[in-house]
Amino acid sequence: DAKTTQPPSMDCAEGRAANLPCNHSTISGNEYVYWYRQIHSQGPQYIIHGLKNNETNEMASLIITEDRKSSTLILPHATLRDTAVYYCIVKGGSRLTFGEGTQLTVNP
Amino acid sequence: DTEVTQTPKHLVMGMTNKKSLKCEQHMGHRAMYWYKQKAKKPPELMFVYSYEKLSINESVPSRFSPECPNSSLLNLHLHALQPEDSALYLCASSQPNFIGTGSEAFFGQGTRLTVV
Repeated sequence: DAKTTQPPSMDCAEGRAANLPCNHSTISGNEYVYWYRQIHSQGPQYIIHGLKNNETNEMASLIITEDRKSSTLILPHATLRDTAVYYCIVKGGSRLTFGEGTQLTVNP
Repeated sequence: DTEVTQTPKHLVMGMTNKKSLKCEQHMGHRAMYWYKQKAKKPPELMFVYSYEKLSINESVPSRFSPECPNSSLLNLHLHALQPEDSALYLCASSQPNFIGTGSEAFFGQGTRLTVV
């Protein structure tokens, strides 16, 4: 599976959009981009995934560049409860491998 | 129901004990996973079962022994553990993922294991 690179930490003001970047320059054509988050001491929570097209669900939007070498997770109106470690994962097949992730802190 | 249930939530065991962690899901998923997570580190994949057969073992020491007795249950048997094995053990389930397909994995809340 391709390796991902994320900033170790980001801050966001409550109510503003949080944009979390991820680089995955070695992604192959059949690998998906997944986003999970983990709130302290809880199990990881699935957020969204995509292959080529942009995706949106009730939690977030996923923007994948046309060359698929990077993506951005957008939380449109961040709340204090969105404070968590966010993991971007590139996955093909059964192996779901976590990188170091981004610690997002939403400030009041 | 999108729940993966892990029991117990907390476990303290001695280095000579034998214990088991249990994971259960009723989403009809045919792939199940064990992860180990140390403090302030990302989860590390240990084992993957697909259709009740072990498909991935990430070179885990034999003191950890997984078992998948049916499509809803996953166990992790522990024997002769070391203090450094203390960690959060996470279970997850999904539909089996083959190359070119994608489906989300759902995680349990984990078992916090302390080896003394």
